[in-house]
Amino acid sequence: QVQLQESGPRLVKPSETLSLTCGVSGYSIGRGSYWGWMRQPPGKGLEWIGTISHSGTTYFNPSPTGRVIMSVDTSKNQLSLRLTSVTAADTAVYYCARHSNITPGRVGPFDIWGQGTVVTVSS
Amino acid sequence: EIVLTQSPATLSLSPGERATLSCRASQSISSYLAWYQQKPGQSPRLLIYDASNRATGVPARFSGSGSGTDFTLTISSLEPEDFAVYSCQQRSDWPLTFGGGTKVEIK
Repeated sequence: QVQLQESGPRLVKPSETLSLTCGVSGYSIGRGSYWGWMRQPPGKGLEWIGTISHSGTTYFNPSPTGRVIMSVDTSKNQLSLRLTSVTAADTAVYYCARHSNITPGRVGPFDIWGQGTVVTVSS
Repeated sequence: EIVLTQSPATLSLSPGERATLSCRASQSISSYLAWYQQKPGQSPRLLIYDASNRATGVPARFSGSGSGTDFTLTISSLEPEDFAVYSCQQRSDWPLTFGGGTKVEIK
């Protein structure tokens, strides 16, 4: 059974860097798949932040422009998300999720999601 | 960026009734549309992928249809556990985008 678990600080100060990890169990990242990060501000809809492949190829949402860093660590079987220069607008529940492998050459929908972690940006 | 517009924002229905949710794309996305269900305090759950394919374990009362720019999620007869927020998502092009969601609430 594939499971994802987000972890990281729940409170981040404005202008600092938000850092989250997503531990993957029941599936080896090195086998090959794509992984996404999403967020959901309080009372709002889902927003895709970016996607990373098992080999480190990344795709980002133009917004938040230039502030996102994503990486994959196959030895630890985990993903990482860093968001720099945060503001209150970055307060949200952050999710990691796996893209399903249903279409060769194209990322699939998100079939496995982590439980999400609440991050608040405040001084 | 492909914008997904969901309607209505809120749907008030009773158990046993039929729910029809709409998702409209700002340009053609072929059939690369997924639907997710999200209950309060929970992460999204994949229901439908590629417009009309049910994900593993999804009850048959959930069905999806459409292609191009207009898509529909239908719940044939609402069960108590179906009252939730439903979001659509396209994977036709980067950036991936989600609709704003439709809340199905108990009338």
